[in-house]
Amino acid sequence: GIQVEQSPPDLILQEGANSTLRCNFSDSVNNLQWFHQNPWGQLINLFYIPSGTKQNGRLSATTVATERYSLLYISSSQTTDSGVYFCAVGTLRRANSKLTFGKGITLSVRP
Amino acid sequence: DGGITQSPKYLFRKEGQNVTLSCEQNLNHDAMYWYRQDPGQGLRLIYYSQIVNDFQKGDIAEGYSVSREKKESFPLTVTSAQKNPTAFYLCASQQTSGSFVPFFGPGTRLTVL
Repeated sequence: GIQVEQSPPDLILQEGANSTLRCNFSDSVNNLQWFHQNPWGQLINLFYIPSGTKQNGRLSATTVATERYSLLYISSSQTTDSGVYFCAVGTLRRANSKLTFGKGITLSVRP
Repeated sequence: DGGITQSPKYLFRKEGQNVTLSCEQNLNHDAMYWYRQDPGQGLRLIYYSQIVNDFQKGDIAEGYSVSREKKESFPLTVTSAQKNPTAFYLCASQQTSGSFVPFFGPGTRLTVL
């Protein structure tokens, strides 16, 4: 199956700092998503980004499908950005659309 | 309000007992999924269902069972055959066309004593 590696595993930032989170994957995909899990366990989709670049406020993401990696950028970090960031990949088929998740990156933003 | 709910939030069971986790959605999504999350780990797929009365095993289905009798509901039973059931369980639902973004429930934290 597809392997997903995220780096770094842990990240500590001072409020206001910028950061880059990386996701490498082992095979061709046409479904790549970034999620944020808050400290209470709730997962929220941040981006559906199988290729190209998207921005949403202070967050942006870029996927280079041909080189099998994706980057999530967080600018001007806030304490509410703390939590775990997951990259998940898959191949969209009519029969199923399973996602394979990486182990996540734990981000702590300190005031 | 449309959404996906899981109950209970915390569940304690004695070793050897079966336990059923509830997952309900009113988003009119066809597909539903069960994931298991262990500390420091990503989500691992247990079972998924693309349509009522049909479901498929995921990567770690051993010791678990599911049913999909209604579009809105996808309960997960953790059986006594599951060797290490203590974990955080997440349910998700998704459209099967148009949008490929899953919506997650709040999770159930199961502790087997």
